[in-house]
Amino acid sequence: GENVEQHPSTLSVQEGDSAVIKCTYSDSASNYFPWYKQELGKRPQLIIDIRSNVGEKKDQRIAVTLNKTAKHFSLHITETQPEDSAVYFCAASIQGAQKLVFGQGTRLTINP
Amino acid sequence: NAGVTQTPKFQVLKTGQSMTLQCAQDMNHEYMSWYRQDPGMGLRLIHYSVGAGITDQGEVPNGYNVSRSTTEDFPLRLLSAAPSQTSVYFCASTWGGGRNSPLHFGNGTRLTVT
Repeated sequence: GENVEQHPSTLSVQEGDSAVIKCTYSDSASNYFPWYKQELGKRPQLIIDIRSNVGEKKDQRIAVTLNKTAKHFSLHITETQPEDSAVYFCAASIQGAQKLVFGQGTRLTINP
Repeated sequence: NAGVTQTPKFQVLKTGQSMTLQCAQDMNHEYMSWYRQDPGMGLRLIHYSVGAGITDQGEVPNGYNVSRSTTEDFPLRLLSAAPSQTSVYFCASTWGGGRNSPLHFGNGTRLTVT
């Protein structure tokens, strides 16, 4: 079945620097790739998503890139701020099934 | 709109007890699902439903039952709780299919089985 690997598991960056989280997936038919942010004690919330017909998508300081050939996609956060500290999850769709498979999560810490 | 509402927020069970985690949404979403979240393992799909009367298994369905009698409600039943079911449970819903539209999560239920 579909497998989604997420790296790194923890990431610490200085405020103002950029952060990059990468996910790889196994099903070449996957066509939907969302990213969720989960603050401590809260529910996951969608921050950005991308579909397989697009290579890159941006929303202010957040961007996602997709490389279908290599089967990986990445989350880029620029000009990081303390409120970016959270756990981030990537996910990929499963061909022929109405479900997503999630990565293991990345705990991002922004140091002031 | 309240969105996705989960009850209870916290629950402690003894091994072998049964209980039902409630999930309701008021967004008229056809798709609803249950995930469990364990440290270092991300969100794993337990069961999902693409509409009233239709349910299917996810990655980790053993020990859990679901039913979908209405569009709004999707309860998760633990028939005989085990310590391995200690986890945080999230219910989620979406307007489209579960593989191509954003999920809206509830606030979670933290379950401890002793």
